[in-house]
Amino acid sequence: EPEVTQTPSHQVTQMGQEVILRCVPISNHLYFYWYRQILGQKVEFLVSFYNNEISEKSEIFDDQFSVERPDGSNFTLKIRSTKLEDSAMYFCASSGAEQGVSPLHFGNGTRLTVT
Amino acid sequence: AQSVTQLDSQVPVFEEAPVELRCNYSSSVSVYLFWYVQYPNQGLQLLLKYLSGSTLVKGINGFEAEFNKSQTSFHLRKPSVHISDTAEYFCAVTLGGAQKLVFGQGTRLTINP
Repeated sequence: EPEVTQTPSHQVTQMGQEVILRCVPISNHLYFYWYRQILGQKVEFLVSFYNNEISEKSEIFDDQFSVERPDGSNFTLKIRSTKLEDSAMYFCASSGAEQGVSPLHFGNGTRLTVT
Repeated sequence: AQSVTQLDSQVPVFEEAPVELRCNYSSSVSVYLFWYVQYPNQGLQLLLKYLSGSTLVKGINGFEAEFNKSQTSFHLRKPSVHISDTAEYFCAVTLGGAQKLVFGQGTRLTINP
């Protein structure tokens, strides 16, 4: 069964540094998402992406965050200047159609640690 | 805005016992409802979903859930659990379309032999 793959599985960075989290969604999917889970807290929506543009973003997704689909296969999340509170597990997801009709498929996540 | 409450953060049960994981949601409009499972060191995997139709929904691994509109609940059940069911379970809702999933805080299910 096709999978969403995320790399790296664990990223450690210093405060103020830029990080790029990478995801390869399922190949025929059209909708892409990033979620995050701070340790001990809920899984939170960050952003959804469709037709090469952001379709919705949360309050968390401020100017420090950006997403890109640079080559038709990868879907990246960039944090420009990391803060301690960005430490979390970041999940990428994709779906083949509008949610509900085609549920989200999640990757295994990237654990980001900001020191 | 939608919200999801999972009333139990941890549920310990003995192997082969039945289990119910509770989920309540709030929304002023119709929603789609989901249960996801997260095994250790893995991503979120869809267990089952409710979109419309029959209120009793069957999912993978012997799990089922019942949508109760009057009680705004979507509790997850399994009649007999196995050690392999040890995981974190998340209830989630969405309005559909490309709308965001709103998750509950999760319930850690621990199966004791």
